Amino acid sequence: DTAVSQTPKYLVTQMGNDKSIKCEQNLGHDTMYWYKQDSKKFLKIMFSYNNKELIINETVPNRFSPKSPDKAHLNLHINSLELGDSAVYFCASSQDPGGLNGYTFGSGTRLTVV
Amino acid sequence: AQKITQTQPGMFVQEKEAVTLDCTYDTSDQSYGLFWYKQPSSGEMIFLIYQGSYDEQNATEGRYSLNFQKARKSANLVISASQLGDSAMYFCAMSQYGNNRLAFGKGNQVVVIP
Repeated sequence: DTAVSQTPKYLVTQMGNDKSIKCEQNLGHDTMYWYKQDSKKFLKIMFSYNNKELIINETVPNRFSPKSPDKAHLNLHINSLELGDSAVYFCASSQDPGGLNGYTFGSGTRLTVV
Repeated sequence: AQKITQTQPGMFVQEKEAVTLDCTYDTSDQSYGLFWYKQPSSGEMIFLIYQGSYDEQNATEGRYSLNFQKARKSANLVISASQLGDSAMYFCAMSQYGNNRLAFGKGNQVVVIP
């Protein structure tokens, strides 16, 4: 069973479109995250939710809106996609917000905006 | 702010040799965790090894070991007996309790040659 699964794995879309990436974890973790990996491979946190509550919202454009219907799911919706949004987006989870017990990552979603 | 530094350029390693990947970190906290992740060309983030700041012994996981020097704030990864499948990007990361995130270094590219 996949611990953290995110869909789709690849997403190619035109500028201006709205798209969503879904993430689910079956580890029973309380905390979930979205990370963005840019073209230089740098990973940076975007959002973090603990038990469905937003606890981190980094400097991310308002076009990005996370939603956590329950603690096992954290979806990412992106409005009015721009070329600069092209990146790999990783979902991750940890047992608690401190994450000192480890983080588990999904396999990533490669978003290409054309 | 957390800061993780990985400064080595891309590395070529002969198969069966050992390789050391450098990582230094900056924190004033006493409680933190250090992680290494592997990202092969397929893109997934694979957890390799973890060192807690209070762990007195260096962590080991199979062919991976972490050379933890707390006073120098370094957490170097040693891969022994390199294999072709070790060719990948390697990321050092740190988590601090209360900071609610995993902060990454910029990564080291390793290529194992036969």
